[in-house]
Amino acid sequence: AQKVTQAQTEISVVEKEDVTLDCVYETRDTTYYLFWYKQPPSGELVFLIRRNSFDEQNEISGRYSWNFQKSTSSFNFTITASQVVDSAVYFCALSENSGYSTLTFGKGTMLLVSP
Amino acid sequence: DTGVSQDPRHKITKRGQNVTFRCDPISEHNRLYWYRQTLGQGPEFLTYFQNEAQLEKSRLLSDRFSAERPKGSFSTLEIQRTEQGDSAMYLCASTTGYGETQYFGPGTRLLVL
Repeated sequence: AQKVTQAQTEISVVEKEDVTLDCVYETRDTTYYLFWYKQPPSGELVFLIRRNSFDEQNEISGRYSWNFQKSTSSFNFTITASQVVDSAVYFCALSENSGYSTLTFGKGTMLLVSP
Repeated sequence: DTGVSQDPRHKITKRGQNVTFRCDPISEHNRLYWYRQTLGQGPEFLTYFQNEAQLEKSRLLSDRFSAERPKGSFSTLEIQRTEQGDSAMYLCASTTGYGETQYFGPGTRLLVL
């Protein structure tokens, strides 16, 4: 069965600090997809990134970057020069190629960025 | 280009009452998912539709829950005889294919008193 672990429940940083959110996953499929979503206090899940299991290239989008390592089953998310607006709960999620691609989420990491 | 919409955004009801939520997916998306999120947890899968067919249901979906997607457009999720344990955020997502990005609506927050 698929599983996603986000071991960090809450992280507090001061603005302009870099922060890394960890995500470890388990799956028996060789083809799968990994996602990160942001959930601000309003509650809506905002899509950040999708990565398939065959693409291990790291990705950078502005202040955001993602490090995908199949050898350690990890898909970590780094925010560079954090800002107060980054404060939210961040979820890592996994969908397998088998079945109906339902998403399995981790429990989320709450990021608090203070001025 | 409108995203996924859900109605109502908030619902307060008394234990034992029935409630119904609506989800309107992105217009060209034929796949629709319902999830439930309780406080401090990630969303958990409830049920999946491809067009009008309900193809998968989670064991979380007790027989008090029913979902429909008539004509493969909007979907409704009904909870009968609500219990306090049903209090949660109910999220709807839609997508175009397996493994593709699921786009979420704003959710319906249910509080059962």
